[in-house]
Amino acid sequence: KQEVTQIPAALSVPEGENLVLNCSFTDSAIYNLQWFRQDPGKGLTSLLLIQSSQREQTSGRLNASLDKSSGRSTLYIAASQPGDSATYLCYTPLVFGKGTRLSVIA
Amino acid sequence: SQTIHQWPATLVQPVGSPLSLECTVEGTSNPNLYWYRQAAGRGLQLLFYSVGIGQISSEVPQNLSASRPQDRQFILSSKKLLLSDSGFYLCAWQTPGLVSREQFFGPGTRLTVL
Repeated sequence: KQEVTQIPAALSVPEGENLVLNCSFTDSAIYNLQWFRQDPGKGLTSLLLIQSSQREQTSGRLNASLDKSSGRSTLYIAASQPGDSATYLCYTPLVFGKGTRLSVIA
Repeated sequence: SQTIHQWPATLVQPVGSPLSLECTVEGTSNPNLYWYRQAAGRGLQLLFYSVGIGQISSEVPQNLSASRPQDRQFILSSKKLLLSDSGFYLCAWQTPGLVSREQFFGPGTRLTVL
């Protein structure tokens, strides 16, 4: 059964810093991997979707990578801003990680 | 464009009462539909998914049930709520046919069982 782990559970950084969020999964036979953002008390916003045949996807200041062989994905956020503060969730079909709670301090 | 609606947005119910949460999708046909629950201090857990009318797959045994009476309507129900049913319930849709497609989530329903 697929297990998705996200490290760290929480992260606090000063504004402007570049940061990396990590996601690992146990079953590499995935169709895709998706990164979401969740603001407190809100639903999920899709950030990036990486298909199993892809190695990375970029959207603005966000870059997500996928290494199926090692069972890892990273979400890179460049030049972080206070508005980036949220919980970031990693998802492989049908299974979510528990998320990384990010705080960007002005 | 496609949109997904959930209601109610918040709900407070006594233990033992029934539950009905509704999710509807607009702008697409025959979507895959999903119900997830996010309990306090825990991650998002898949409860049910459906690939078509009347087709429901359950991922976790519990006192909840799901139904899909229409193509773009997905309902989560319970006959008798438990305290442990409290949480944030999210509905999601996906383009039909391929699990490799992106999932899109609704705004969620926050359920408190007292």
